[in-house]
Amino acid sequence: SQELEQSPQSLIVQEGKNLTINCTSSKTLYGLYWYKQKYGEGLIFLMMLQKGGEEKSHEKITAKLDEKKQQSSLHITASQPSHAGIYLCGATATGNQFYFGTGTSLTVIP
Amino acid sequence: EPEVTQTPSHQVTQMGQEVILRCVPISNHLYFYWYRQILGQKVEFLVSFYNNEISEKSEIFDDQFSVERPDGSNFTLKIRSTKLEDSAMYFCACSGTGFFGEQFFGPGTRLTVL
Repeated sequence: SQELEQSPQSLIVQEGKNLTINCTSSKTLYGLYWYKQKYGEGLIFLMMLQKGGEEKSHEKITAKLDEKKQQSSLHITASQPSHAGIYLCGATATGNQFYFGTGTSLTVIP
Repeated sequence: EPEVTQTPSHQVTQMGQEVILRCVPISNHLYFYWYRQILGQKVEFLVSFYNNEISEKSEIFDDQFSVERPDGSNFTLKIRSTKLEDSAMYFCACSGTGFFGEQFFGPGTRLTVL
């Protein structure tokens, strides 16, 4: 099965600071997805990356997928309290299953 | 903005009882999923569903679980004989552009088995 390890497990940053969350796969990724979860709520889609070397940005969030398609990073520039939550990477594997990573809890201190 | 809804938001049941968790996906989406998240653990895939059939299921999705799209709008997850370890948050999701892609998640149903 697909294993997705995220680091760090949790992150506390001052508002305005930049931060990076990493997601490492045990296997080559067919597609890598980033989701955000607020405590006790459903997940919200952020971005999808499919090609090695691909990079996408939305507002202050940038995600990259490395050339070998086994690692992705999510970078937030000038963090705000609204960025707080749990960030999850996810991936498809062979067949129609979906795997989520271990999650990174982000706290942004105003 | 279209959204996925789930009912009930919280279900408490006795061990051994059957429960049905309900979801109303976004109306023109064709791919449906159930996930669960045990408190403090990862979100885990249970099942994917398309064209009135299960497409894929995980090893968690054993004979106690079933899914159905009874009326073209609802998408249900049934657990026949609940166990303590079935206590979790259950999320329904859907996508409109093939399997997975951008999945839209419901707010979840918290299932507590006593």
